[in-house]
Amino acid sequence: AQSVTQLDSQVPVFEEAPVELRCNYSSSVSVYLFWYVQYPNQGLQLLLKYLSGSTLVKGINGFEAEFNKSQTSFHLRKPSVHISDTAEYFCAVFNTGGFKTIFGAGTRLFVKA
Amino acid sequence: EPEVTQTPSHQVTQMGQEVILRCVPISNHLYFYWYRQILGQKVEFLVSFYNNEISEKSEIFDDQFSVERPDGSNFTLKIRSTKLEDSAMYFCASSAFGQNTGELFFGEGSRLTVL
Repeated sequence: AQSVTQLDSQVPVFEEAPVELRCNYSSSVSVYLFWYVQYPNQGLQLLLKYLSGSTLVKGINGFEAEFNKSQTSFHLRKPSVHISDTAEYFCAVFNTGGFKTIFGAGTRLFVKA
Repeated sequence: EPEVTQTPSHQVTQMGQEVILRCVPISNHLYFYWYRQILGQKVEFLVSFYNNEISEKSEIFDDQFSVERPDGSNFTLKIRSTKLEDSAMYFCASSAFGQNTGELFFGEGSRLTVL
């Protein structure tokens, strides 16, 4: 079975500062990894995904994430955040050959002016 | 751009009543899912559906829950006798024209309030 741990429940940060949202996973098989964003009262939108190839993946809105197999991590980063990045961010993992994508508990990013 | 649509957006029901939540997945997607999010909490997997049968379900998905794909386009979640703790946002998702990578396309959700 797979599991996902998001190490920070809330991350406050000032506008234009860099941010990192941490995600660790566990699985006994190879995985695909995702970050989703949820704005208030909305559904989940894919930010970026790692399926294979380069371990550094770029997504929408200037976000990127790095897959580290030895540390079983997939941390999300942005070099300079905007007020509009305030949202809930979910890390997710899918076991290859499986039938479900499992989500972490979420990290609330709060960008302050 | 194709999208997943869900109805109703909000339903209020009395405890013990049956509820059906409806979803139209992206056309030609092969895998269908229901997830639940209790207010402010994590997104919880309920069930996945492939080739006209349940492929996996969670502990939450007990005998009170059922899913159906009654025709080529709709995918429904039925809660037979609602409880107060069923109050949540229910998200439908679909994935994959071919090999499943687990990349999910979500609807906007159906908020269920059980009184």
